[in-house]
Amino acid sequence: QVQLVESGGGVVQPGGSLRLSCAASGFIFKTYGLHWVRQAPGKGLEWVAFIGHDENYRNYTNSVKGRFTISRDNSMNTLYLQMNRLGPDDTAVYYCVKGRAAWGLEYWGQGTLVTVSS
Amino acid sequence: QSALTQPASVSGSPGQSLTISCTGTNSDIGDYNFVSWYQHHPGKAPKLIIYEVNYRPSGVSNRFSGSKSGNTASLTISGLQAEDEASYYCFSYRSATGLVSGLVFGGGTKLTVL
Repeated sequence: QVQLVESGGGVVQPGGSLRLSCAASGFIFKTYGLHWVRQAPGKGLEWVAFIGHDENYRNYTNSVKGRFTISRDNSMNTLYLQMNRLGPDDTAVYYCVKGRAAWGLEYWGQGTLVTVSS
Repeated sequence: QSALTQPASVSGSPGQSLTISCTGTNSDIGDYNFVSWYQHHPGKAPKLIIYEVNYRPSGVSNRFSGSKSGNTASLTISGLQAEDEASYYCFSYRSATGLVSGLVFGGGTKLTVL
């Protein structure tokens, strides 16, 4: 079965950096697009970033453009999110999500918590 | 990016049917059939329940159905059950308009089963 396991969350100071990882299994990793989605405490879901199956296409929500970078290693079945210049508004649970055709979000990991605080 | 518009909360009694709306624009829901719906229980991973407006993934109850009219998508839950109490989110592709592009969620609707 599909498994997505996020790691790398934690507490970071404002202005700091963090890299999230997502280890995937149970599907042919290199053939699917992948997303990061986050949920701030007490708030709704927010789409963060997408990467195509071969890294040729990437897109970001406006609030993270220029600060976050999504990448993948198809040889390691791993998705990444490099987060720089973090601010309090980036505090959230970050989910790794396997995409499906027509922009669906097919399978979700359990999430990893990122807290930006001094 | 402004979210799609959903009611903040809805409620219903067991056995009833109810509908959750999701209103967008002609740059997202109105122009594409790339609308999906997610069920989210607190502390758990969200779950895809409807994709491409009205298709159900394998294993999802046929009590869940989706539709679209103009710029508004809808999720209908029939035969409401206690386990349906959760938050529900719509999600759509949005074409580039000015500086806005990409993918966007609705604000979420908290469903309470009375």
